[in-house]
Amino acid sequence: RKEVEQDPGPFNVPEGATVAFNCTYSNSASQSFFWYRQDCRKEPKLLMSVYSSGNEDGRFTAQLNRASQYISLLIRDSKLSDSATYLCVVNNGGSYIPTFGRGTSLIVHP
Amino acid sequence: EADIYQTPRYLVIGTGKKITLECSQTMGHDKMYWYQQDPGMELHLIHYSYGVNSTEKGDLSSESTVSRIRTEHFPLTLESARPSHTSQYLCASSESSTIYGYTFGSGTRLTVV
Repeated sequence: RKEVEQDPGPFNVPEGATVAFNCTYSNSASQSFFWYRQDCRKEPKLLMSVYSSGNEDGRFTAQLNRASQYISLLIRDSKLSDSATYLCVVNNGGSYIPTFGRGTSLIVHP
Repeated sequence: EADIYQTPRYLVIGTGKKITLECSQTMGHDKMYWYQQDPGMELHLIHYSYGVNSTEKGDLSSESTVSRIRTEHFPLTLESARPSHTSQYLCASSESSTIYGYTFGSGTRLTVV
């Protein structure tokens, strides 16, 4: 089983839709969690950290479920500019080495 | 805006050549990382460093080497480039605690012919 797993998609949604991605991780000792966004042929950029109590940044909401070992990203009112690949990142704390998921592709169409 | 810089941005080089990919950051981050990523594929960690004079190999078997003589500089060297090394190479850095995540450079797209 891979350490971090994501549904690669693509998720194809119309503008204005709400879409959610999940990411599962295998190491129960994982301590830090992030969502990154990567545009085609560009570097990954931090979208948001994921806190235990859940957190929101505008149209984006991130949740952590330690019992089931997954994190989620919810995007409300999708924009064309949200089209990208969303990477789940898990840090095991002790090693400080991040593990990246393969990413979930989102395509928002008019 | 970028605080982590990679050069060159693009490189086409012949088989057997020695190359060094440069990575510098101005944030004073202790930790630095090199990743390899093929188009549409996941990132693979090839080297990382916890600080000056610290270097470790990552998960991906690589014929490259790195050095960390200064905090801000983490170059990657391929002694003898091969077509299988054709890929995008991404450098990243983070603070000691890593709770603030990781900052990536723009990458070097390497083609070995």
